[in-house]
Amino acid sequence: ETGVTQTPRHLVMGMTNKKSLKCEQHLGHNAMYWYKQSAKKPLELMFVYSLEERVENNSVPSRFSPECPNSSHLFLHLHTLQPEDSALYLCASSAASGQYNSPLHFGNGTRLTVT
Amino acid sequence: AQKITQTQPGMFVQEKEAVTLDCTYDTSDPSYGLFWYKQPSSGEMIFLIYQGSYDQQNATEGRYSLNFQKARKSANLVISASQLGDSAMYFCAMTGGNTGGFKTIFGAGTRLFVKA
Repeated sequence: ETGVTQTPRHLVMGMTNKKSLKCEQHLGHNAMYWYKQSAKKPLELMFVYSLEERVENNSVPSRFSPECPNSSHLFLHLHTLQPEDSALYLCASSAASGQYNSPLHFGNGTRLTVT
Repeated sequence: AQKITQTQPGMFVQEKEAVTLDCTYDTSDPSYGLFWYKQPSSGEMIFLIYQGSYDQQNATEGRYSLNFQKARKSANLVISASQLGDSAMYFCAMTGGNTGGFKTIFGAGTRLFVKA
């Protein structure tokens, strides 16, 4: 496989469930990101990991918990979510850590619905 | 604070014609990068083109070109010879050097419809 792969593509969960989103990049990149895309709102940066260290936590509620075990894998653990958390969650990676000229490479996203 | 503004919620273009998607930005950082991404209905965001704040010439990538006007803080995307497959959401984005290059902000997007 090449690029950035996200699983699952679709997820429906109740507010009391615990689930995890998975992201894997096969590009040899050093930085990985979680973005949230809600209807009628710009993409919101949630978390950034550079060389497996979290460098950005954008005031995200604690019901979202990221994990980056190595530079190729990124997880987003979800628990006790709210209906307003329903959105498309996009994972991305970039080649160089902290370089403003490094484009993001995105996965296909996970469409999350909280019931 | 950094900001990206896309004022066109939707645009229509005839197949084979050129179209310009507007983007203005605001930053006090002298070093920054500007990007355009395409998001088809499948959901994946696809990187199209990059322009650095110090680049003297406008960036081009195939049918895509970026009309960079630094003094006006605009970075419009020009798509030449539109194709039906160009129908998608288009996002302008910026990464500032003073945020360590980690924080890319996005505009609200423009939905492009290409008519046959």
